[in-house]
Amino acid sequence: NAGVMQNPRHLVRRRGQEARLRCSPMKGHSHVYWYRQLPEEGLKFMVYLQKENIIDESGMPKERFSAEFPKEGPSILRIQQVVRGDSAAYFCASSPYRGDTEAFFGQGTRLTVV
Amino acid sequence: GDSVTQMEGPVTLSEEAFLTINCTYTATGYPSLFWYVQYPGEGLQLLLKATKADDKGSNKGFEATYRKETTSFHLEKGSVQVSDSAVYFCALSAKQGAQKLVFGQGTRLTINP
Repeated sequence: NAGVMQNPRHLVRRRGQEARLRCSPMKGHSHVYWYRQLPEEGLKFMVYLQKENIIDESGMPKERFSAEFPKEGPSILRIQQVVRGDSAAYFCASSPYRGDTEAFFGQGTRLTVV
Repeated sequence: GDSVTQMEGPVTLSEEAFLTINCTYTATGYPSLFWYVQYPGEGLQLLLKATKADDKGSNKGFEATYRKETTSFHLEKGSVQVSDSAVYFCALSAKQGAQKLVFGQGTRLTINP
């Protein structure tokens, strides 16, 4: 059973471009969570999705950021018109159901905005 | 809101030394508490967890006890190894939002041979 898969592992974008980060949860997991880790800081919750639904997006910036988890395919975190301050590691985690107390993390996507 | 405060790093120890990384939390209700470890270039791995007061989580020689009276969840290991070098994160999740984890800032641990 493969773990949580994120791609790409590293992504470089120029200011103003769009960044798309993908996350394939573990097999059988229908809950996905995105976190952002700024340099030398802990992870900060961004958004919690279930298949085709956004459950909690209280940690998402109001502009330029969006997330989806379609019925088929990976979850996508999309950042439009990237700025230098978006440079960070973005981690995805998944769990099989809402009540589970353990989430499994992917290896992350390190976004660098130049 | 909920928050987690960890001991400032970095921490450098010699092999076989005793390790303590302090973690205190602020939360409404009765959260679950976790320690995650992040090895260089990798994602986070769950190290141990405790879901109610006085529970002790343990794994790979690491232990932490959920202390409600002091709102703490300190990580300990009796004899560290070079392979324990990593960044350690304390985290909590409120019962009603099971997987919305709130993380501490992380403590970088380096073990010298």
